[in-house]
Amino acid sequence: GDSVTQMEGPVTLSEEAFLTINCTYTATGYPSLFWYVQYPGEGLQLLLKATKADDKGSNKGFEATYRKETTSFHLEKGSVQVSDSAVYFCALRRNAGNMLTFGGGTRLMVKP
Amino acid sequence: DAGVTQSPTHLIKTRGQQVTLRCSPKSGHDTVSWYQQALGQGPQFIFQYYEEEERQRGNFPDRFSGHQFPNYSSELNVNALLLGDSALYLCASSGLAGDNQETQYFGPGTRLLVL
Repeated sequence: GDSVTQMEGPVTLSEEAFLTINCTYTATGYPSLFWYVQYPGEGLQLLLKATKADDKGSNKGFEATYRKETTSFHLEKGSVQVSDSAVYFCALRRNAGNMLTFGGGTRLMVKP
Repeated sequence: DAGVTQSPTHLIKTRGQQVTLRCSPKSGHDTVSWYQQALGQGPQFIFQYYEEEERQRGNFPDRFSGHQFPNYSSELNVNALLLGDSALYLCASSGLAGDNQETQYFGPGTRLLVL
């Protein structure tokens, strides 16, 4: 079945540091890939997405590139802020259905 | 433009009881999906409703059931509650065409505690 694997957290960084959160997936066909963010006490917000190989999704300084050859969708940001502290979820959606399959989440803590 | 709304925000029940959670989709969306998020884990897909019918279902027992109304809002019902049903229940909506079909938008969730 489909699965998503994320690096375990927490990831602790100082403000303005470079961020990478690894995400790899297993799925048949050509899934769409997503990053969602969850702030404390809230639901999930879509951060960015990519629907085909080599697409780059980007939003609010975050970006991720759909790499079919390595089945990866790593999240990056050049300079994190304290306000980026949250839990980040990588997810996939197979074109045949509409359900999302999520990874376990990675908690990011950014210190001033 | 209102986003996805859910009610109630918090709920406390005891084992064996039944619970109903409610969701209103984002304007223009006609498909509702429900997810269960246990503490410290990623959301798990429960089921999806479209045109008032269950279109897809995850690996959840029959104690979990749902309904979709003509106005596209939805309910999630859980019978015979177990301690392990304690979780954040998330509703997500999506639509038929273009970006509306591709992306699911989530509500704030209902946090259920079973004692």
